Amino acid sequence: DIQMTQSPSSLSASVGDRVTFTCRASQGIRNDLVWFQQKPGKAPKRLIFAASTLQSGVPSRFSGSGSGTEFTLTISSVQPEDFATYYCLQHNSYPYTFGQGTNLEIK
Amino acid sequence: EVEVVESGGGVEQPGRSLRLSCKTSGFTFADYAISWVRQAPGKGLEWVGFIKSEAFGGTIEYAASVKGRFTVSRDDSNSIAYLQMNSLKTEDTAVYYCTSSLGVWGQGTMVIVSS
Repeated sequence: DIQMTQSPSSLSASVGDRVTFTCRASQGIRNDLVWFQQKPGKAPKRLIFAASTLQSGVPSRFSGSGSGTEFTLTISSVQPEDFATYYCLQHNSYPYTFGQGTNLEIK
Repeated sequence: EVEVVESGGGVEQPGRSLRLSCKTSGFTFADYAISWVRQAPGKGLEWVGFIKSEAFGGTIEYAASVKGRFTVSRDDSNSIAYLQMNSLKTEDTAVYYCTSSLGVWGQGTMVIVSS
């Protein structure tokens, strides 16, 4: 199985900060990676697919990059509604696997 | 409006069975793969299983933790997917989400396995 490792596990930031999350795959997955945002008690929301394609309706302050084994999700200027947990998912091979998540907290 | 609604969750004893349903509307269900994802209380997301559209062969895959116990199926004529869960274990306790091609998600249905 492909292991997905997210770092950091939690991150404290202030409104307006630029933040970057990392997701590493244990083997190459091309660009078969999705980023999700999840708020407490809610379903995940897809932000980015194909590693760098912004989902329609998602603010442009979110961006994704990477290919192969290393991927990043960047929020250029954190807004109050962005405090949540972020997950990556690889869908290159079965079983699909999620990272363990990064919790973005208010500083 | 695109909508995905899960149902069928509840409390069941270990070893018993439950069937979850995923009713969809607002899009051409037959064209999309359906995945089931679960989240145990206070934990991260876990991919459970997947069924491709018939156009892609209707391929079905499962996570190792549920393979042989859970069965994913789909009824394209009624735009519904199912997750049949047999031989339930306490570690199957989670919110179960249905998602169409990972883009549209339901609100989830809670399954509690407890004696």
